Amino acid sequence: GQNIDQPTEMTATEGAIVQINCTYQTSGFNGLFWYQQHAGEAPTFLSYNVLDGLEEKGRFSSFLSRSKGYSYLLLKELQMKDSASYLCAVSDSNYQLIWGAGTKLIIKP
Amino acid sequence: NAGVTQTPKFRVLKTGQSMTLLCAQDMNHEYMYWYRQDPGMGLRLIHYSVGEGTTAKGEVPDGYNVSRLKKQNFLLGLESAAPSQTSVYFCASSHKWDGANVLTFGAGSRLTVL
Repeated sequence: GQNIDQPTEMTATEGAIVQINCTYQTSGFNGLFWYQQHAGEAPTFLSYNVLDGLEEKGRFSSFLSRSKGYSYLLLKELQMKDSASYLCAVSDSNYQLIWGAGTKLIIKP
Repeated sequence: NAGVTQTPKFRVLKTGQSMTLLCAQDMNHEYMYWYRQDPGMGLRLIHYSVGEGTTAKGEVPDGYNVSRLKKQNFLLGLESAAPSQTSVYFCASSHKWDGANVLTFGAGSRLTVL
């Protein structure tokens, strides 16, 4: 079966760095996405990785290792507005998205 | 530019009632999707459409029907609502159908079935 695993909840301090991990087992791989979802709102696109390595976009970076079935989202200089759920999703061999349950990130002052 | 608009935002139904959720997008996207989001679970695809006049089943299609009569609209219908359909429903659209298809989501519709 297809499976995406990510931690249910994480807590971090304002101004710090946090890494949210995602491991996956899917039938085929055509890319990995990270979305941010604030409580009661729609998911919004953060990043896309299809090749191994690190993609940096401002305070957010996303890493992919296809051989390990592993990705992480790195958030630097955390701000209170970063409190949200972070969803990992993998595009499988049919370009269907398989979604993880999301990681709720709590930022404390 | 409104993006993806869903109506209604909230609805309470009694078991056995029917209703339709409407999704409209103004980005000229070919592909549209209906997902449901339940606590502790990832987004699950109900139905999707690859173009006007076409629909296809996703992961959890039972109990739902869809129609895409116009490119910009994608309707999700519940013919006889059940408590198991209590959920938050998200419509989404995308420009491509490949590994890099970034989805744009609507704000969600919270449905409670009593």
